[in-house]
Amino acid sequence: QKEVEQNSGPLSVPEGAIASLNCTYSDRGSQSFFWYRQYSGKSPELIMFIYSNGDKEDGRFTAQLNKASQYVSLLIRDSQPSDSATYLCAVLRGFSGGYNKLIFGAGTRLAVHP
Amino acid sequence: SAVISQKPSRDICQRGTSLTIQCQVDSQVTMMFWYRQQPGQSLTLIATANQGSEATYESGFVIDKFPISRPNLTFSTLTVSNMSPEDSSIYLCSLRQTSTDTQYFGPGTRLTVL
Repeated sequence: QKEVEQNSGPLSVPEGAIASLNCTYSDRGSQSFFWYRQYSGKSPELIMFIYSNGDKEDGRFTAQLNKASQYVSLLIRDSQPSDSATYLCAVLRGFSGGYNKLIFGAGTRLAVHP
Repeated sequence: SAVISQKPSRDICQRGTSLTIQCQVDSQVTMMFWYRQQPGQSLTLIATANQGSEATYESGFVIDKFPISRPNLTFSTLTVSNMSPEDSSIYLCSLRQTSTDTQYFGPGTRLTVL
């Protein structure tokens, strides 16, 4: 089982719709969760982070965290063609000795069509 | 967030040669990392670049192949040694802001080995 799992997609949504991206993680002790957006040929860009159960909203983006279910999601409202990119879920996992490592999922490719 | 720059942005190299990638940050950071992103794949952590001491390598990565320097809190280099076509990848420098655990990436170095 991978530590961080995402559906690779592509997830295709019409312009103006809500895009829902999902991620599950295996280490129950993980505390910090991140969503990155990566356009083709570019480096990952941090768009959301969440530490507590529930929802966190920032503009058109909402991150949702459910630690009991080990589930993180990202909602993008009013999707635009410019949102078309690969979205990477990442989990900060603690290891012995106080060492933390950011572990990435494989990414979900989102395509927003006009 | 801090501004991260990398040099070179891309290079084409012959097998058996070595390439040194530079990462410069515009402010002092404690935690710097080097990642690799192979074509169509997600990000894999190569090592943590420790200031003033030897880097901490992840499983599957060794110092002889990927020597890392971190002479101060704003600069690091990664060398890809004795390159083969399998080393063709994007190499990314990253820093973590310890106050928020948020992690940011440089623009990347696209390496092609012939």
